[in-house]
This record gives sequence, structure tokens and C-alpha cells, in this order.
Amino acid sequence: AQKVTQAQTEISVVEKEDVTLDCVYETRDTTYYLFWYKQPPSGELVFLIRRNSFDEQNEISGRYSWNFQKSTSSFNFTITASQVVDSAVYFCALSEAGQTGANNLFFGTGTRLTVIP
Amino acid sequence: ETGVTQTPRHLVMGMTNKKSLKCEQHLGHNAMYWYKQSAKKPLELMFVYNFKEQTENNSVPSRFSPECPNSSHLFLHLHTLQPEDSALYLCASSQARSGRLGGTGELFFGEGSRLTVL
Repeated sequence: AQKVTQAQTEISVVEKEDVTLDCVYETRDTTYYLFWYKQPPSGELVFLIRRNSFDEQNEISGRYSWNFQKSTSSFNFTITASQVVDSAVYFCALSEAGQTGANNLFFGTGTRLTVIP
Repeated sequence: ETGVTQTPRHLVMGMTNKKSLKCEQHLGHNAMYWYKQSAKKPLELMFVYNFKEQTENNSVPSRFSPECPNSSHLFLHLHTLQPEDSALYLCASSQARSGRLGGTGELFFGEGSRLTVL
């Protein structure tokens, strides 16, 4: 069965500090997709990144970077030089490609990040 | 603006009421989803519609009844709910493809409908 674990429930950092959000997943599929979403106070989940299981290259997008390691089943997310606008709940999610058609995402419980000015 | 619009944003209802949540997507997607978000729990997938056909019903109680009249609209009809059904209900859409690697696209979410059952 699929499972996504975000062990950090809440994190607080001071502005300009770096912060890493952890994500550990479980799946029996060899082909799968991992996602990170951001949920600001307004409620909608904003897509940040998708990685497929065959691509372990780390990715950097501005102040955001992602570290995908299949050996430890982890897909961690780092924000560099955090800003107050980064305050939100961040969700890691897994989709198994064995399902055809629609995307069934399984989400972790989320990590609430608070950036203190 | 994600292209997915949910109404109403807030809803308070009694346990004997009947109400509906509406979702509309303007992205040309062919798959739509209902998720339930309760405090301190993972987002729970409730229903999936792929090309207007329901492909997933995740053991959801019958007091929740989905309807997908076309690929742009999705409803969640509510009746005789319980207080524990109070949650944020999120609608999402995606572009689904057929084949083994069909489920690759990201989901686009609406802002949710905050439901309170008294």
C-alpha cells in the first residue's frame, strides 16, 4: 500500500534561515511520481514540483530545491533564505503510475512552516 | 487563480439539511476529484471522475453523493451529515491520459469549501 510520511508537524524559522521539510514514502510500484504542494491560508493547494521515479536528479528552482533519494525513499524539500511569504502548510504526495487515467494522489499529513520576521 | 472554482466557500448546515458543493474547472481537463481535508489528517481522496465516469469511490459514506454532468463541472451532494463531516472539501482537476503512465499530471486545486455541520 502507498504511504507518505511527513514527520515534522510544525516548523518555525526566522526569516533568511534555510529550512528542510522531510518526506518519506512507501510504494510497491517501480514507476511512481512524487509531488510537493503548498497550501497558503487561502486554502488552495499550489503545485510546486513533480518527479518521476526514474529521475533522481536533484532540482533547484530559485530558493527551492528538492533532494530525491530512492535508496532511502525520501523526497526532501529545502527552502533557502526563507521569507515570510513562505509560511504555509506543505504537502508531499505520491502517485503510482500503475493506475491508468486519472491521477490518484496520496498525501502526507503536511508540515506547517512559520517564518518569523 | 488556479482555474478551479469552488462554491460556496463556506457552508454551515444542520444534520437534517440537504446542500450541494459545486466545482467548475476552466482548464480543459478531463479528470476531476473531491478530497476531504480534516484537521491533523492527510487529505483523503473521496471520488475521482475520469472522462465523466466515476473511477474511484474511496469507501465514502452514502450521505455524500457526487455528480459529474460534464468534464467541467463536479458536484458533491450532501444530506444527513454528521458533525464529524465538518472539514474543508477540495476539488481538483487534471489532464488524464490513458495507458500505464496515465497518471502523471499534477492536480490543480480550488480554494475549497469549508463545511461546518452543527
